[in-house]
Amino acid sequence: GQQLNQSPQSMFIQEGEDVSMNCTSSSIFNTWLWYKQDPGEGPVLLIALYKAGELTSNGRLTAQFGITRKDSFLNISASIPSDVGIYFCAGQLPLSGTYKYIFGTGTRLKVLA
Amino acid sequence: KAGVTQTPRYLIKTRGQQVTLSCSPISGHRSVSWYQQTPGQGLQFLFEYFSETQRNKGNFPGRFSGRQFSNSRSEMNVSTLELGDSALYLCASSLSPGVSSYEQYFGPGTRLTVT
Repeated sequence: GQQLNQSPQSMFIQEGEDVSMNCTSSSIFNTWLWYKQDPGEGPVLLIALYKAGELTSNGRLTAQFGITRKDSFLNISASIPSDVGIYFCAGQLPLSGTYKYIFGTGTRLKVLA
Repeated sequence: KAGVTQTPRYLIKTRGQQVTLSCSPISGHRSVSWYQQTPGQGLQFLFEYFSETQRNKGNFPGRFSGRQFSNSRSEMNVSTLELGDSALYLCASSLSPGVSSYEQYFGPGTRLTVT
């Protein structure tokens, strides 16, 4: 099936460091969502982006909708141990009135205390 | 407001059997989507329902089917189970197509193991 290219696949960082991850595609998307998933649980919505160029923050998290509408970025500042988990991006295809999303392959984040 | 609920949380079935999974969306949400999550394929879109109608379908065989009831609750069914159907099945609810918000909220998932 279709998937977005998400990078990096995994990363180890020290507590207090900033983290960046991104999703890219050859397709244009109308909406970008960023999720975090803990083991054995469903993904939890972190940030939603609706317009090209939009920059949105949620606490220590900041995400941007790329100008070309083909990419998105998520930054986590001053990471803490509870940031551990898998982060997914999801792009909504430009189909009218649909919630069909394509998901990235995920970035596994591990924070070293 | 209660979140998305899915039942059962865990299920073990044998090959050839069929299974039905249930999803209750957030109160007021009328759109329900289903995804399959496996380590190898990631999150794959199965189908989307709104007002008891399937609006979109992913690239899965006809053994995978679903429906939505008038109260927006949804079920998905997998017939003639195969080993490769072992996965976490996630349900996501959303308001209604056409509104300004396209946020999807996921339930905890149903872990299906086929032996």
